[in-house]
Amino acid sequence: GQQLNQSPQSMFIQEGEDVSMNCTSSSIFNTWLWYKQDPGEGPVLLIALYKAGELTSNGRLTAQFGITRKDSFLNISASIPSDVGIYFCAGRNSGNTPLVFGKGTRLSVIA
Amino acid sequence: DAGVIQSPRHEVTEMGQEVTLRCKPISGHNSLFWYRQTMMRGLELLIYFNNNVPIDDSGMPEDRFSAKMPNASFSTLKIQPSEPRDSAVYFCASSRTGSQPQHFGDGTRLSIL
Repeated sequence: GQQLNQSPQSMFIQEGEDVSMNCTSSSIFNTWLWYKQDPGEGPVLLIALYKAGELTSNGRLTAQFGITRKDSFLNISASIPSDVGIYFCAGRNSGNTPLVFGKGTRLSVIA
Repeated sequence: DAGVIQSPRHEVTEMGQEVTLRCKPISGHNSLFWYRQTMMRGLELLIYFNNNVPIDDSGMPEDRFSAKMPNASFSTLKIQPSEPRDSAVYFCASSRTGSQPQHFGDGTRLSIL
């Protein structure tokens, strides 16, 4: 079956630093999504990508759909304490197939 | 707008007991998904419905797990009998269509003693 490799598994950064995380797939995807999960809550959608090469921003967050359609990355600029949480990538390879989720990147921000 | 609503938020019960988790999807969404989240396995899709019909239940661990969606605004996930290894956070998510992004509830944290 499809697999997503998300890295890094965890990150400790200083407040104000930029952050980058990525996901790679064993197969071609036509949709990439990035979610953030805060403790005790469900994942919340951050950015959705639908075209190879697409670059989309949401405030300090920027995500890109890789040209090969097998990868995506998420950047966070000028991190702040509330960026702490687990970030998940998710993707699918055709219209109505279920999403496949990465294992998450746990982000810690040191003030 | 109300998001996906799950109940209960927390459930602690003894092994062997029946557990029922409930979900109310976002109004107008016709796809509903049940996930289980653990540290070891991450987010696993258990089952999903389109227009109240189960489409793929290949993720359901075993016969002890069952899910129903009697109408467009309600779904249940039942575990009977429950076992300690079922302890996890169970999420329900819904989307407008099967290809639209999913929106998650806040989950039910289940502990089986």
